Amino acid sequence: DGGITQSPKYLFRKEGQNVTLSCEQNLNHDAMYWYRQDPGQGLRLIYYSQIVNDFQKGDIAEGYSVSREKKESFPLTVTSAQKNPTAFYLCASTDRGDEQFFGPGTRLTVL
Amino acid sequence: AQSVTQLDSQVPVFEEAPVELRCNYSSSVSVYLFWYVQYPNQGLQLLLKYLSGSTLVKGINGFEAEFNKSQTSFHLRKPSVHISDTAEYFCAVSPNTDKLIFGTGTRLQVFP
Repeated sequence: DGGITQSPKYLFRKEGQNVTLSCEQNLNHDAMYWYRQDPGQGLRLIYYSQIVNDFQKGDIAEGYSVSREKKESFPLTVTSAQKNPTAFYLCASTDRGDEQFFGPGTRLTVL
Repeated sequence: AQSVTQLDSQVPVFEEAPVELRCNYSSSVSVYLFWYVQYPNQGLQLLLKYLSGSTLVKGINGFEAEFNKSQTSFHLRKPSVHISDTAEYFCAVSPNTDKLIFGTGTRLQVFP
């Protein structure tokens, strides 16, 4: 079955550490997205990529970095510069002209 | 710029009662409209979408929504809810389907 996988499901990080969240899709979609979800704030776009080797900042990119070396993979690194990283992170992908498909999410907690 | 307002953060309702979750948007261009559902600790699942054509859109799980261009609304409705409909519901707009702007969500709580 085609879909989007995110790993790990739960992630704990000490302050000052960088962590990388994985997102893989086998839907052959060109575009991929990272969102951050906080209670009562909906989903906010961190980064997105419309094609391999290209990506753009979303609304809240500070303290995050991404890469898009392969069509199926779009990892997100939460750096130590992100002041409040505890949140639920969602990855999505889309084939142009259709809805976005979402992964199951990664819950990041800073200890 | 586009924005989405979901007027109710929480909607409590008894099982088998009808429900309406409200969504208004603002945009200077034509947009596509979506409703997603999120169960606890899971990703989002598409309920329905409006891209063009009939303004009444039917989705999964018995939900439907009506696009009203003059009122810039896209309210979600279900005539009879079940306990299993308890979840968070997100309205979203897209000017071109490449980027989505989400509302802050409405938590639907169905009581027996």
